[in-house]
Amino acid sequence: EDQVTQSPEALRLQEGESSSLNCSYTVSGLRGLFWYRQDPGKGPEFLFTLYSAGEEKEKERLKATLTKKESFLHITAPKPEDSATYLCAVRSGVFNFNKFYFGSGTKLNVKP
Amino acid sequence: NAGVTQTPKFRVLKTGQSMTLLCAQDMNHEYMYWYRQDPGMGLRLIHYSVGEGTTAKGEVPDGYNVSRLKKQNFLLGLESAAPSQTSVYFCASQPLSNQPQHFGDGTRLSIL
Repeated sequence: EDQVTQSPEALRLQEGESSSLNCSYTVSGLRGLFWYRQDPGKGPEFLFTLYSAGEEKEKERLKATLTKKESFLHITAPKPEDSATYLCAVRSGVFNFNKFYFGSGTKLNVKP
Repeated sequence: NAGVTQTPKFRVLKTGQSMTLLCAQDMNHEYMYWYRQDPGMGLRLIHYSVGEGTTAKGEVPDGYNVSRLKKQNFLLGLESAAPSQTSVYFCASQPLSNQPQHFGDGTRLSIL
C-alpha cells in the first residue's frame, strides 16, 4: 500500500537554527515527490518537485533532497517568515497515476 | 490572475442538508481534484477529473458526488451531509499529469 510519513509532526526552531524535515515513502513506482508549504487558512503552495534519487532542488533557505526511500527538506538559517506547515506528496505511476498521496505535514515554528 | 477559486469559503450545515461546493480555475488545466483535510490525517483525495466530462473516485468518495461539465469548473456535492464530513475541502488543478497541483484556499465546512 502506498504510504507517506512525515516527521517530526511539529518543530520549533530559533531564528538562524538550521534543521531538516523528513518525508519517508513507500510507493509502487515513484513518479515524483512534491514539497508544498501551507500557511494557516490557505491552500498548499508548491515548492519543489523531485523525480529521481540523488536529485536536489534549492530555493532561498530551502533545499530538498531525494533518496530511494525518503526526502529531506533542509532549512538553513530560518527566519520567522518560514513558519508554516510543510507537506510532501508522492505520485505513484503504476496504477494510480493521477493520485497523489500526501503526508500529514510538519508544522514549523521559527521564533525570532 | 485568480488561479483556483473556491466558493463558498465557509459554510455551516445541518445533518441531512445538501450543498454544492464550486471550484473554478482560469489556467486551462486538464486535471482537477477535490481533497479533504482533517487534523493529523493530511490531504485525502475524494474525486478527480482528467478532463471535461470525466470523473473518477479517489480514496474517500463515499457520500460525495462530482461533476465537470465545463473544463474550468469542478463541482463537489454532498447529498445528505453528515457530521463526519466536517472538514476543510481543497480543490486543485494540474496542467499535465506529472506537474505540480495548484490549490485553492479551501472551503471550511461544519456539519452540526
